[in-house]
Parts: sequence; structure tokens; C-alpha cells
Amino acid sequence: DAGVIQSPRHEVTEMGQEVTLRCKPISGHDYLFWYRQTMMRGLELLIYFNNNVPIDDSGMPEDRFSAKMPNASFSTLKIQPSEPRDSAVYFCASSSPRLAERGNEQFFGPGTRLTVL
Amino acid sequence: ELKVEQNPLFLSMQEGKNYTIYCNYSTTSDRLYWYRQDPGKSLESLFVLLSNGAVKQEGRLMASLDTKARLSTLHITAAVHDLSATYFCAVDRANFGNEKLTFGTGTRLTIIP
Repeated sequence: DAGVIQSPRHEVTEMGQEVTLRCKPISGHDYLFWYRQTMMRGLELLIYFNNNVPIDDSGMPEDRFSAKMPNASFSTLKIQPSEPRDSAVYFCASSSPRLAERGNEQFFGPGTRLTVL
Repeated sequence: ELKVEQNPLFLSMQEGKNYTIYCNYSTTSDRLYWYRQDPGKSLESLFVLLSNGAVKQEGRLMASLDTKARLSTLHITAAVHDLSATYFCAVDRANFGNEKLTFGTGTRLTIIP
């Protein structure tokens, strides 16, 4: 399996621009998670989906952030408009709790490093 | 609210020495996960501990879980430079509808030759 795929790997944009991050989970995984990691705040869970349905978006920092999962193999995280404080590494992860011997083990993608100037 | 604390936050150790990283959590959980993150890289799953008394070993790393004490340990034996990384523990609640993990702040481990 190719693992969790994220694109782009790096994104540099100017304040006010729209940014879209993409994620393809591992095939067969029914949970998808979006995280943000910064030095100051560590690893933060933004939102997660089960079978394409958002379950908990309490970590989404503000209305400028939105996430969708139109099908089982694709999710997007959009920031509009972007601000310098959004600069971070954004990770996508997926899991399949039906594999009882692995619990809720999550598999992380390579991340997208976002820089907002 | 489920809280996960790791200590130490930073650890420098010499090659060949042994040390232990501790992970404490605040509420009942049967399951604990350890991850490794190299600088500039993603998180990689190391161990999944699913019950009280569980012990897993991989190379120079050994993880254990004591659910009664709400404590997991990651023991490093005869450290080598390749083990330099940040190590995270994470816990969940083994109930349907609680599939998210709560992560600790991480322990940055540096192995000095």
C-alpha cells in the first residue's frame, strides 16, 4: 500500500490567498484525521471524519478553515483567507478501528508544510 | 478532558546508556500508542499497547503499559545515534465513538556520541 498521500508537500502563499490541502487515505480506512503541528502549539487535531462524515470539528481554529471529504479516497482542508499565523505543517492520518489488534492506530501522511507570507 | 503528559520533554543521553521516557494520562484508558517523529518528517507508529501489562519490544526500544497507574514507559537500551528523534505517546478510549487519539507533548531525544 502507498500509505497516506498528501499534496502539495510544500506550499508558499501570500496572506489573503486561498489554500487547499489534499489527502488520500489508505484504502479501506474509514477514519480520516487532519492535524496541525507547530513549535508553539505542538500537534493539534483539527477535524476528523468517519465514512466521509465529519464527526468532530471542534479543533478547527476559526471559520476561515473548512474541510470536506466527498468520497472515501479524498479529503481537502481549505483555508480562506490565509494568514501568517496559519503557517504550520498539516498532517493527514487515517485509521481502521476494525483491525482489533491495532486498536485506533493512525497512519500519518508526509505532511504539507505551509508558509503564509 | 483527557490529558496526556510526557516527561522529560527534552533528553540528551550518551550512546550506550539506558533511559526511560514516561507517559502519564489522566483518565481511564485501556490503550496506548507510541510514535516516533524524525526532524522534518511525519509520525511513524512504533507500538500499540492494548491491555494492562502489555509489553512490546523492537530492537533497543521496549514499551509497557500499566493501566492501573495510568502510565506507560518507553525504555531505551544501549542508545545509538539513530534513535535521536521526538517520541510521542497517545491514548484513546476503547469505546465506540471515541476513535480519536490524544497526544502527549512529545519527548525530544538526542543521542550524543
